[in-house]
Amino acid sequence: GAVVSQHPSRVICKSGTSVKIECRSLDFQATTMFWYRQFPKQSLMLMATSNEGSKATYEQGVEKDKFLINHASLTLSTLTVTSAHPEDSSFYICSARDFNSPLHFGNGTRLTVT
Amino acid sequence: RKEVEQDPGPFNVPEGATVAFNCTYSNSASQSFFWYRQDCRKEPKLLMSVYSSGNEDGRFTAQLNRASQYISLLIRDSKLSDSATYLCVVNRYSSASKIIFGSGTRLSIRP
Repeated sequence: GAVVSQHPSRVICKSGTSVKIECRSLDFQATTMFWYRQFPKQSLMLMATSNEGSKATYEQGVEKDKFLINHASLTLSTLTVTSAHPEDSSFYICSARDFNSPLHFGNGTRLTVT
Repeated sequence: RKEVEQDPGPFNVPEGATVAFNCTYSNSASQSFFWYRQDCRKEPKLLMSVYSSGNEDGRFTAQLNRASQYISLLIRDSKLSDSATYLCVVNRYSSASKIIFGSGTRLSIRP
C-alpha cells in the first residue's frame, strides 16, 4: 500500500488564488521531504528539499516566496503555490524518506490554473 | 554536463526481447543508487535499489560500476507492461545529502 499520501490529486483553481498541497508519510518518519514539478513529457525537476523543523532549501530558479514549504512534523509537509498563474499548471509530486532509505513518492497533484 | 545522465530513448523493442539501459554519474561522492519506473502521468515507483555486488529481481538485473561511474538496468523477456520511463536516481552526500534524478529513458515494448 501507499506509504506516502499526497492530497489533493487534482485541483483546478483560478489565476491569483493560492493552492495548498499536502504530503504525508504514513508509516515512517520522514526526516526529509522533497517537492518536484514535472511538465508534460519532461523529467522531474526538484523544487526544494525540506527537513523537519528547518527551512526548506530551494533549487536555483525556484521562488521561495511563491512556493511556500512547511515541514512542521516528521509526517507532514505542505507546498503552497501562492498567487497561482496558468504557467504554474503542472504535476507536483512529493517524496519522502527516512535517512538513506529509498524515496517513496506521493501520487502527485495535477494543478490546473485557469 | 548533467550530474546524472541517461539516454532518453525511446527504446522500441519487441515483446520478449532483452533491453539494457545505462546511467552515468559524474560525482564520485555518490553513495546509493536506484532505478525507478514512471508510467505516463503517474508518480515514480521504486523498481530496485542497486548494490555494489549487483542484484537481480526476477527479470530485472541492476549493476553498479563505481570505477567507471555508471549503473545499468537489464530487462529480460520484456513484457508489454514494461513500457514506461525508467529513471536513474543517485543519492550523494557531501555537506548534505542530495537526490539527483536522471532525465529518464523511455521504453516501449511492441507486440
